[in-house]
This record gives sequence, C-alpha cells and structure tokens, in this order.
Amino acid sequence: DTAVSQTPKYLVTQMGNDKSIKCEQNLGHDTMYWYKQDSKKFLKIMFSYNNKELIINETVPNRFSPKSPDKAHLNLHINSLELGDSAVYFCASSQLLAGDYEQYFGPGTRLTVT
Amino acid sequence: DAKTTQPPSMDCAEGRAANLPCNHSTISGNEYVYWYRQIHSQGPQYIIHGLKNNETNEMASLIITEDRKSSTLILPHATLRDTAVYYCIVRVAPEIQGAQKLVFGQGTRLTINP
Repeated sequence: DTAVSQTPKYLVTQMGNDKSIKCEQNLGHDTMYWYKQDSKKFLKIMFSYNNKELIINETVPNRFSPKSPDKAHLNLHINSLELGDSAVYFCASSQLLAGDYEQYFGPGTRLTVT
Repeated sequence: DAKTTQPPSMDCAEGRAANLPCNHSTISGNEYVYWYRQIHSQGPQYIIHGLKNNETNEMASLIITEDRKSSTLILPHATLRDTAVYYCIVRVAPEIQGAQKLVFGQGTRLTINP
C-alpha cells in the first residue's frame, strides 16, 4: 500500500549514459514533483506536473526531461549523464485542498555517476 | 517566500519534549509555516503547518508567536525514531495547482539520546 514509489532505489552508471527513474503514486493526487538532494544534503525542486501538464521547471539542464504518461506517474529521463548529476532524487505528490496541502515523498533514488 | 533560520543541531533526551525553534522575521501575512522532517535515507515527511493559530496533531504541536516572526515545533515525548533533520518552511498557499514549491533550508539535525 505504498503511497509514492520510485524505481530503482539505487542506480550506478557511467558518464555519458542515458537513464530513467520511475515514480508512481496511488494517492489519487493531481500533482507530482521531482526534487534533487545533492551531496551537501540541500533539497531542491526540479519539476512539478499537474494533470500531466508541466507547471514548475526550475532552470534544470535540458538533459533532464520529465515525462508524465498519466497523473499517477512522473518519470525522469536523464541524457548524457555527468558526474554532477550524482545525487538522491525524490519524487513527491500532493493535492491542493482549500489553499493548503502537504507533499508526500517517495523513498528516493540514489544515482551515482562514475 | 520568506527565509527561515534554524539552529543547525539540537539534542534531546528520550521521553522529554523536543522544542525546535524557527525564526521567520520577514514572514508575510499570507504565508504559512510548514514543518517537514527527513529521517536518514528516507524522503521528507510532512509534520504540521499553520498560519497564525497554534496547531496540534498526532505527531506534534506548532506554536506561532503573536507577531508570527517565529515558531516552535514541539515533539511532546521524543523517541529515538524522532532523530532526523527538521525543516521549517514558510510559503504562501499556492493559487495554482502544481505550483506548491517547497524550498528547503539546512534544517535542524535533532538527535534523540537514550
């Protein structure tokens, strides 16, 4: 009965490769997000989608391309991986209710680029 | 969104109340105070939020000063499982679904000691 799930949990790959991280939520939420947590533990938003429409794009390199096939899924595809892409990536979802909300986060995907 | 200031670390004995302060002296009238926590190697978890009244739920209490320039998160009976990084976030309620961007600072690393 996991609310927000991500696959894979760990991903080790070489520079220049292309990889994808998948996210699924079973909460019936309309909005999904991707956050990145770097080695210094700063957690920053990358993207948000509402009903498959891109809402937030936080000056992320074009190599990162989110894709939302339906409102329960938001996948993150990364082209030409670089060393600096190594981080933990968190997916989250939320539902706007009467002006306030909480975000539900997935367990994270630890990406290591060698 | 208003900036927040939190102590980098705190210790608390198991079973005692943990009081985590947050300064948000530039908060605007329409900005909410949110608290999230991140237990090691997990995704952030919503705890509580408030606008101007004190709030309580099954996890914690949130005390907001009358001038709203600071707040305190209270974990009434801390357990070892409460060891985590606690983030105080101030933001307006989003008007557009999907624009609910959370901006995480460095947070307070709370250690509960046996």
